[in-house]
Amino acid sequence: DTEVTQTPKHLVMGMTNKKSLKCEQHMGHRAMYWYKQKAKKPPELMFVYSYEKLSINESVPSRFSPECPNSSLLNLHLHALQPEDSALYLCASSQAPGEGAYEQYFGPGTRLTVT
Amino acid sequence: GQNIDQPTEMTATEGAIVQINCTYQTSGFNGLFWYQQHAGEAPTFLSYNVLDGLEEKGRFSSFLSRSKGYSYLLLKELQMKDSASYLCAVRDEGTDKLIFGTGTRLQVFP
Repeated sequence: DTEVTQTPKHLVMGMTNKKSLKCEQHMGHRAMYWYKQKAKKPPELMFVYSYEKLSINESVPSRFSPECPNSSLLNLHLHALQPEDSALYLCASSQAPGEGAYEQYFGPGTRLTVT
Repeated sequence: GQNIDQPTEMTATEGAIVQINCTYQTSGFNGLFWYQQHAGEAPTFLSYNVLDGLEEKGRFSSFLSRSKGYSYLLLKELQMKDSASYLCAVRDEGTDKLIFGTGTRLQVFP
């Protein structure tokens, strides 16, 4: 099983809403990632979790709050977003550093629209 | 600084061969990845190079020269379904982050 799943596929939210994006993998990967991707641009790294601990935060605004409840799950909590936060949010997972080639496997993404 | 360059767009004909180049200047290097991304979909892994030379995988091959900071992805026997964006990404040595290039949008015509 080389699948990373993400829910929901699409999300429309107002600027005062609170919502969460969810990501799950069952490949035994111990590194998980959140990326943001705007149209016709490459993915931009937001957060990295390694062994369920936050290892990288790319200076992401606090209105995005990641959480890794266990080694298979990764959440991204959203609050008070701005219209410019509308994008495709991609989750990825890989083996942790030192465990091999560790290519990243991406989920299908959540298409977020902030109104 | 980190800089990864790819051509923005390329076109090719079905059945032909196309080479997508990627040049990089990064503070650290721990491997180079190529991903394919169809519009509105997630990137899918194509290839990984960490040593110099050519890696072949069916219709796709990838080449790396670390001394030149250069890689290419070679697609043979092009099919319409190969129309997609191709992303070159360098893994940073210190942090293991993937640093993506801007991507090359390939259009294959009949």
